[in-house]
Amino acid sequence: NAGVTQTPKFQVLKTGQSMTLQCAQDMNHEYMSWYRQDPGMGLRLIHYSVGAGITDQGEVPNGYNVSRSTTEDFPLRLLSAAPSQTSVYFCASSYGTVPTEAFFGQGTRLTVV
Amino acid sequence: GENVEQHPSTLSVQEGDSAVIKCTYSDSASNYFPWYKQELGKGPQLIIDIRSNVGEKKDQRIAVTLNKTAKHFSLHITETQPEDSAVYFCAAISNYGGSQGNLIFGKGTKLSVKP
Repeated sequence: NAGVTQTPKFQVLKTGQSMTLQCAQDMNHEYMSWYRQDPGMGLRLIHYSVGAGITDQGEVPNGYNVSRSTTEDFPLRLLSAAPSQTSVYFCASSYGTVPTEAFFGQGTRLTVV
Repeated sequence: GENVEQHPSTLSVQEGDSAVIKCTYSDSASNYFPWYKQELGKGPQLIIDIRSNVGEKKDQRIAVTLNKTAKHFSLHITETQPEDSAVYFCAAISNYGGSQGNLIFGKGTKLSVKP
């Protein structure tokens, strides 16, 4: 099993550009989520999904969109990148509709200049 | 909403010593408390978790204790080894507010084990 796969691993964007961070899992997990990790801040929830077609906002959703058209994929879109979105982004998934025993991807390090 | 506080932010121990990391949470309805280990350049990895109907859980050299009355839980690592060096995060599942049913993380503890 590949687990949770995130692409790309590194990305540099200019302010105002848009991009999509990809997340895929092959464990047939219902719950998927996106976190951002900033120094000294821990992991903060951006958006989450409890199944295909269902998404909801987390703690820090502004500037990000998500969709869940399939069980496997949960892309995160940055609409107009800002320097404040420079961070490391992690996707996680778990069986069921709550994040118990969650598996994390390896992360995407994003720099916005 | 739920708030999880974690202490200390850094911890340095000698190889073979024990390490203890403590977390407190605010939502008395929280019922699931995982601990994650994050090595440099990698994603967090679940190392142990505990549910609110249990007071203690052990897995080899690591253990977690939960005090529901005081709303705190702790990670205990015995006989530490250099490969235990990493950042450790505690978390709790929030049951209300904008992150209902989601993990709320502490800010992490950087553990250094010196040979």
